[in-house]
Parts: sequence; C-alpha cells; structure tokens
Amino acid sequence: SQQGEEDPQALSIQEGENATMNCSYKTSINNLQWYRQNSGRGLVHLILIRSNEREKHSGRLRVTLDTSKKSSSLLITASRAADTASYFCAFQGGSEKLVFGKGMKLTVNP
Amino acid sequence: DTGVSQDPRHKITKRGQNVTFRCDPISEHNRLYWYRQTLGQGPEFLTYFQNEAQLEKSRLLSDRFSAERPKGSFSTLEIQRTEQGDSAMYLCASSLTGQPQHFGDGTRLSIL
Repeated sequence: SQQGEEDPQALSIQEGENATMNCSYKTSINNLQWYRQNSGRGLVHLILIRSNEREKHSGRLRVTLDTSKKSSSLLITASRAADTASYFCAFQGGSEKLVFGKGMKLTVNP
Repeated sequence: DTGVSQDPRHKITKRGQNVTFRCDPISEHNRLYWYRQTLGQGPEFLTYFQNEAQLEKSRLLSDRFSAERPKGSFSTLEIQRTEQGDSAMYLCASSLTGQPQHFGDGTRLSIL
C-alpha cells in the first residue's frame, strides 16, 4: 500500500497561473522526490529534496519540505499547457525503493 | 544516454499463460528497479538489483513472479500462470548509486 498522498487529487488552471500541490507521508524519510508522468509514458524525475533541506528550486519549480509535519509542497510557476500531466511525490526511507503517492492530475488550459 | 528501454510496450495474454518482459537500463547504471502501476495509482515497488545481485523484493512479488539480471546489464521480469489481477503497467527504472531513478515507458500487460 502507498504511504504518500498528494492533495489535491486534480487541479485545473489557466496557462500562466501557478500550481501548488501538496504531499503528506507517514514515516521518516531520507529524501522526497517529485516525478511527472504524461499519459501512457514513464515517470520523469523533477526534483529531489533531502531530509535536512527545507527548500529547493529548479527552474520554474520550487519544493519545500517540513519534516515535523511530514509534508512537502511543489510549486510550478508560470504554468504552460505542456505542464499538463500527473505529478507524484515519492520518498526514500531506509531502503533504495521509492514509495509513491497516488498522484495528482494537473490540467493547464491554454 | 539513450534512456531506459522496455520491451514489449504492450502485451495481451490469456489468463494462465506465462509472460516475460525485458528492461535495458541506461548503460552505466548499476541499479535497476521494477515497479507495477495500476490505473489511477502511483507505482508500487517490486524489486531492485545492484549489478547482478537482487537486493530487495517486495511482498507484492509472489512466487509467480521472478526477476533476473544475469550479467548486471539488462533484466527480465517473468510472471507465471498470469491472473486477472496482474493486469497493470510494469515499469523499469535504473540509476547510479545515490542518484535519481530514470524510468522507461513501461510494458502494459492486459490479461484476457
């Protein structure tokens, strides 16, 4: 069973707006990662934040991690139609396996 | 970097048949992972290899499932006596130690 959960489960926004997605988890982690998946395709790694980090940026992406609340958020700024995809948070705890949430479907309308 | 390659992309088979999937990782990656993803869910870990050694297996990996990575390069995942519940997307990923995992586009298995 999955131990991560994204919120909201679906989000529809207009191009140019920002999109924020949240992830909660239940166990202690070494790092938390965000992946994107286009329909029928594999997952693409977006960003990794380690448990001793609080915030990280990569291009239009900003991720935060609050280990006391066991939560993370991913912000996509100035969204584009090409950002339409499913987004997953995943974490690594005591092993190399990734534990994924159920995902969040983002639709960016042109 | 040609990416992680999986074959076939789609497999349709009758219940009770055996199926085998192949994964070719990124060439210099020493770690290889298998995940299963059902519709509307995130991927679930099945197993992973470091070189040719299978280091971790999920309890999801029943005795009908077996994975190999004989020379530490490509890997195969075999499912024996397939059941309806095996219908899913099977994803392979590879990585260098301590680095993010790179995923292939998966093999979609449909059981009739």
